[in-house]
Amino acid sequence: GAVVSQHPSWVICKSGTSVKIECRSLDFQATTMFWYRQFPKQSLMLMATSNEGSKATYEQGVEKDKFLINHASLTLSTLTVTSAHPEDSSFYICSARHTSGSYEQYFGPGTRLTVT
Amino acid sequence: GQQVMQIPQYQHVQEGEDFTTYCNSSTTLSNIQWYKQRPGGHPVFLIQLVKSGEVKKQKRLTFQFGEAKKNSSLHITATQTTDVGTYFCAGRKDSGNTPLVFGKGTRLSVIA
Repeated sequence: GAVVSQHPSWVICKSGTSVKIECRSLDFQATTMFWYRQFPKQSLMLMATSNEGSKATYEQGVEKDKFLINHASLTLSTLTVTSAHPEDSSFYICSARHTSGSYEQYFGPGTRLTVT
Repeated sequence: GQQVMQIPQYQHVQEGEDFTTYCNSSTTLSNIQWYKQRPGGHPVFLIQLVKSGEVKKQKRLTFQFGEAKKNSSLHITATQTTDVGTYFCAGRKDSGNTPLVFGKGTRLSVIA
């Protein structure tokens, strides 16, 4: 149990286009999902906290108009990278926290974004 | 803001040697979690520590939470090649819905 999927697993896009990444909790409900960004050989940097039915809370330095987050249901959150630039190329990982109260976070497999 | 420091950044050991990674927080933590990320993979939850001075074991892995709840360690006894990966600690400063703050991780290499 506690499986989180992400789609796509990798994407290449041209500079200036937008890319949507989906994060789904497959066998549990998640009121809270987190979006992280990880550069090669670096740690996970929290971008935003996404709560179902409300606006996401962005970390300092993360542009909310560039990284649009929508958490429309208890099993789905999306991250849209708008007007992507090469510097947005990174590994984006989502995680979901079970509504049962456990503080364990289950991570998705990540999405490798390359902007050319 | 809250910071979580982790050392060492890298560790190379011979198979069979022990390994320890240390985690220190700038603030008192409500709980601390440890994750393992294999090369090319995503972080996988290992354990959560909540109580001051708590010690938990998982086979060859021993996790400790400091008395002041500001530091933690992960010790692996007799490393194996399957232990290769990056170990992250992640702390939460309160028991609410605040997100985890991750350390930079310790990358472990095991030489057979």
